[in-house]
Amino acid sequence: QKEVEQNSGPLSVPEGAIASLNCTYSDRVSQSFFWYRQYSGKSPELIMSIYSNGDKEDGRFTAQLNKASQYVSLLIRDSQPSDSATYLCAVRFGNEKLTFGTGTRLTIIP
Amino acid sequence: SAVISQKPSRDICQRGTSLTIQCQVDSQVTMMFWYRQQPGQSLTLIATANQGSEATYESGFVIDKFPISRPNLTFSTLTVSNMSPEDSSIYLCSVIQGTTYEQYFGPGTRLTVT
Repeated sequence: QKEVEQNSGPLSVPEGAIASLNCTYSDRVSQSFFWYRQYSGKSPELIMSIYSNGDKEDGRFTAQLNKASQYVSLLIRDSQPSDSATYLCAVRFGNEKLTFGTGTRLTIIP
Repeated sequence: SAVISQKPSRDICQRGTSLTIQCQVDSQVTMMFWYRQQPGQSLTLIATANQGSEATYESGFVIDKFPISRPNLTFSTLTVSNMSPEDSSIYLCSVIQGTTYEQYFGPGTRLTVT
C-alpha cells in the first residue's frame, strides 16, 4: 500500500525563523508532489507543487524534492504568525488519486 | 485556479434523513472528487464524480449511501443518505483543472447529524 508519512508535530518555530516540514513516501513511481496549507476550520489550500528533483521557490516557500531518497520537504522562510496552520503533503502515484499525509501542525511563536 | 463553491456551507440534520451537497465550479474542469474530513483527521476520498456516468467509489463507500451526480463539467452533487451521527464530518468538493494535475478544494460543507 502506497503511503505518505509526515511528522504530526506540533512543530513550533520562532517568528522570523525557517520552518522545515518533511514528508516521505513509499513508492518510487511517483510523479507529482503537493503541499497544502489548512487553517483550522478551513479547507486545504494548494501552496506548492513540484514534479522534478531539486528546489522550487515561490516567495517565502521552497519545496525540495529528492526522488532517490523518496522525500519532499517544504521550507518557509521568515516565518510569520499567519503561517500557523496544518500542512498536508500529498503525492500522486502514477495516474492514481492523491494520497495525503496526516499533516504537520505548525505554530509560529511571536 | 478554478473558483469552487459549495452549498450549503453547514447544516444540522436529524438521523435518518438525507442531505444533498452541491458543488459548482466557475469553469470547466477535468476531474471532480468528493472527500470527507473528520475532526483532526486527514482527507478521505469518497469517490470520483464522472461526467455522464456512475461515480467511482473508494473502498468503504457505496452508491446507496453516497449517491453522486455530475451532469456536466462544472457541477456535481453528493447526497449523504439515511444519516447517522457517524456521518458528521466536513465534506469537500475537489477539482483538477487542465493538465498540471493540480487539485483544488472547495470551502467545504460542515455536516452535523443529531
